[in-house]
Amino acid sequence: GAVVSQHPSRVICKSGTSVKIECRSLDFQATTMFWYRQFPKQSLMLMATSNEGSKATYEQGVEKDKFLINHASLTLSTLTVTSAHPEDSSFYICSARGEKRKYGNTIYFGEGSWLTVV
Amino acid sequence: GENVEQHPSTLSVQEGDSAVIKCTYSDSASNYFPWYKQELGKRPQLIIDIRSNVGEKKDQRIAVTLNKTAKHFSLHITETQPEDSAVYFCAASIRDIPTFGRGTSLIVHP
Repeated sequence: GAVVSQHPSRVICKSGTSVKIECRSLDFQATTMFWYRQFPKQSLMLMATSNEGSKATYEQGVEKDKFLINHASLTLSTLTVTSAHPEDSSFYICSARGEKRKYGNTIYFGEGSWLTVV
Repeated sequence: GENVEQHPSTLSVQEGDSAVIKCTYSDSASNYFPWYKQELGKRPQLIIDIRSNVGEKKDQRIAVTLNKTAKHFSLHITETQPEDSAVYFCAASIRDIPTFGRGTSLIVHP
C-alpha cells in the first residue's frame, strides 16, 4: 500500500525560531498533499492543500506567511512554521493522495509531528 | 464550506456489542465519505469508504450507510473487540478535499 513518511516525529524549538516538517510519499507520486493541525482529543483541522508545482491553498484563518508550505516535487512537501510561538505547539500531520486512477480518493496519512515551542 | 457533525464524541461498549457512529454533512455536493481509525499515538488509517451513488457498503464487521437525502452517514461495527478501541473520524469530501468530523472515541471493554 501507499506509505507517507513524516519527519521529525517530535521537535522542540525556541520561541522566535523556525522549524521545518517534511512529508514524503515513499512509494507513490502524491499529486495532492494536505497539512492538518490536531489539538488533543480534537479533529483534524485542515490548514492547507498543496499541489505539486503550484502555490498552496490555505484555509480561512491560517496565516500563509507563518505556515510556509512548499510542494517542490511529487514526493515531498514541507511545512515551515516561522517565528514560532508557544501557541503554535501542536500535532501537525500531513496526508497525500496519489493518481486517482490507481488510488481513487483515498488519502494516506503521515505519522504526524509533535511541535513544542518553548 | 462543508460542515461535518459527528456523534457521539465518546462511545463505551462491552466486547461483542455493536457500535454505531453517526455523521451529518451540510453540503449536498459532497460525494465521497471515508472513515478513518486513529489509534493512540498513530496515524489515521482508512477503514471503509462510500461514494454518493451507493447507499450501503460492508466489509466484514464494518459497514457504512449513506442517506443522501438526509445528508447523514453512519459507521456500524458489529461484534466489537478490544482492538477496535480507537478514535474514529468521518469525513465528507467536496472536489476531493475532505472535511473531518470531530471524532468519536470508542472504548470496547473486555
